[in-house]
Amino acid sequence: GENVEQHPSTLSVQEGDSAVIKCTYSDSASNYFPWYKQELGKRPQLIIDIRSNVGEKKDQRIAVTLNKTAKHFSLHITETQPEDSAVYFCAASILSGGYQKVTFGTGTKLQVIP
Amino acid sequence: NAGVTQTPKFQVLKTGQSMTLQCAQDMNHEYMSWYRQDPGMGLRLIHYSVGAGITDQGEVPNGYNVSRSTTEDFPLRLLSAAPSQTSVYFCASGTGVGETQYFGPGTRLLVL
Repeated sequence: GENVEQHPSTLSVQEGDSAVIKCTYSDSASNYFPWYKQELGKRPQLIIDIRSNVGEKKDQRIAVTLNKTAKHFSLHITETQPEDSAVYFCAASILSGGYQKVTFGTGTKLQVIP
Repeated sequence: NAGVTQTPKFQVLKTGQSMTLQCAQDMNHEYMSWYRQDPGMGLRLIHYSVGAGITDQGEVPNGYNVSRSTTEDFPLRLLSAAPSQTSVYFCASGTGVGETQYFGPGTRLLVL
């Protein structure tokens, strides 16, 4: 099955700096890559996603890049703010038996220091 | 529009007890799934459903049963609780292939 590795597991940045979280996946058939943000004690919420036919997508301070050849995708947060502090999960999704099976990475705890 | 709801929020069980975690969504989503979240392990798929009457196993199905009698509801049953099932359980729903999932608020389960 699909295997998703996520790095780093923890990341501390100064407010205003950029943060980058990287993920790799194993199954080249994966075609949908969402990123979720989870604040302490809350549910995961989608912040951005990218499909396999797109190399980059941006939404304000957040961007995601996808390299299908290398099976890498990354989350970039610019001008970080304290409210960006949370755990971020990448995921890779593959169509299997009529269902989009989603495999999550193990998460990155981002701390933005004021 | 309540989205995805889960009950209870917290539950303490003794080893060997059974219980049902409830999940409901009012977005008419065909796809529903159950995940467990453990420290350092991300979210792991337990069971999923592609529509009423259709369910299948995910990555960690042992010790859990599901059924889907309606589009709205997707309960998760613990048959005989074990301490290894102590976790946070999330239900999620989505519109289908290549689309995002919406998560419920989660159920924290402690098995003693």
